[in-house]
Amino acid sequence: AQSVAQPEDQVNVAEGNPLTVKCTYSVSGNPYLFWYVQYPNRGLQFLLKYITGDNLVKGSYGFEAEFNKSQTSFHLKKPSALVSDSALYFCAAYYGGSQGNLIFGKGTKLSVKP
Amino acid sequence: DSGVTQTPKHLITATGQRVTLRCSPRSGDLSVYWYQQSLDQGLQFLIQYYNGEERAKGNILERFSAQQFPDLHSELNLSSLELGDSALYFCASSETSGRFYEQYFGPGTRLTVT
Repeated sequence: AQSVAQPEDQVNVAEGNPLTVKCTYSVSGNPYLFWYVQYPNRGLQFLLKYITGDNLVKGSYGFEAEFNKSQTSFHLKKPSALVSDSALYFCAAYYGGSQGNLIFGKGTKLSVKP
Repeated sequence: DSGVTQTPKHLITATGQRVTLRCSPRSGDLSVYWYQQSLDQGLQFLIQYYNGEERAKGNILERFSAQQFPDLHSELNLSSLELGDSALYFCASSETSGRFYEQYFGPGTRLTVT
């Protein structure tokens, strides 16, 4: 079965420190992977995607993600966290071919303390 | 602001009733997606329309239906409402359909069934 796992419900980081939000996936075929962020009382915002090519993908707001095929992972990273990065982060994978769609992980709450 | 609009923002109704949620996609986007977000189920894909036609179906109940109109706006109809239907309903849009295209989410409609 297709699935996306975010093993941590919450990640706590001090401002200025690097952050990592973990994601692993299980989809058939080539993976197409996405990260979204949700701020309180807002819709999801697209951060970045991996379709093919370089394993390190750069996205919005200084975020990047590293695709690792052997570990079936797509971890979100940022070198220096900001308090304003505090939000709910969702990893998603596309499945199902031409009539498929996104399957989302449960989400990881990122808390950045000053 | 993603450019996707949803109305109403909040909806409170009683069990057994029927409601309609409305979504206007970003200008030029042909695909519209509906999602349900709840604490226990997370973010679940319901249904996708592409240029007026149903393209993909997810975990959508038979009591729920949707359509996309010629002007590309979409409506999600929820009938015979139950307490468990209380959730945040998101609409998203993308330029076209398929695995390469990120989705842009609206602010959501919070449905409370009492």
